[in-house]
Amino acid sequence: EPEVTQTPSHQVTQMGQEVILRCVPISNHLYFYWYRQILGQKVEFLVSFYNNEISEKSEIFDDQFSVERPDGSNFTLKIRSTKLEDSAMYFCASSEGDPNKETQYFGPGTRLLVL
Amino acid sequence: AQKITQTQPGMFVQEKEAVTLDCTYDTSDPSYGLFWYKQPSSGEMIFLIYQGSYDQQNATEGRYSLNFQKARKSANLVISASQLGDSAMYFCAMREGQDDMRFGAGTRLTVKP
Repeated sequence: EPEVTQTPSHQVTQMGQEVILRCVPISNHLYFYWYRQILGQKVEFLVSFYNNEISEKSEIFDDQFSVERPDGSNFTLKIRSTKLEDSAMYFCASSEGDPNKETQYFGPGTRLLVL
Repeated sequence: AQKITQTQPGMFVQEKEAVTLDCTYDTSDPSYGLFWYKQPSSGEMIFLIYQGSYDQQNATEGRYSLNFQKARKSANLVISASQLGDSAMYFCAMREGQDDMRFGAGTRLTVKP
């Protein structure tokens, strides 16, 4: 069964460093998403991406964040200068884009720890 | 304003019993989708079930069913014949039209042997 994959599973970085989180969405999906979940809290939407551009973003997704689909399979989230409060689990998700049933399938997540 | 409300921070159920996890939502958009996800202790988010606002029947997926009461704006998840592996956090989520998906705070379900 096709699934969303994410690498790395864990990332430890120093405050102020840049990190890139990688995702491979399900191959026939057209919409891609990033979410984060701070430890013990609920899942928060960051950004959605369709047709090679951002379609929606939340207030969390500030200038420190960017997304890219560098080729036909990968979807990346870059944090330019990490802060302590960026420590969280980051989930990538994708959906087919069917407006009647936009079920999003999540990857296993990348646990980011900023020291 | 809170879009998705899960009022049960924790629930216990005996193995093989059924359990209902509550979810209420707030929207004025006639077109929306409701989702339930399971998050085991390993952290991944596993899609369980979907209900569209225009669906006439309650969604079912194996042991999962969604008790959709549109007028009350509730979308409770029913898990029948609970198993020990069902112990996890459960998140209700809603997507309005083309907007981003909003999650509830979650309910931690513990299945007792």
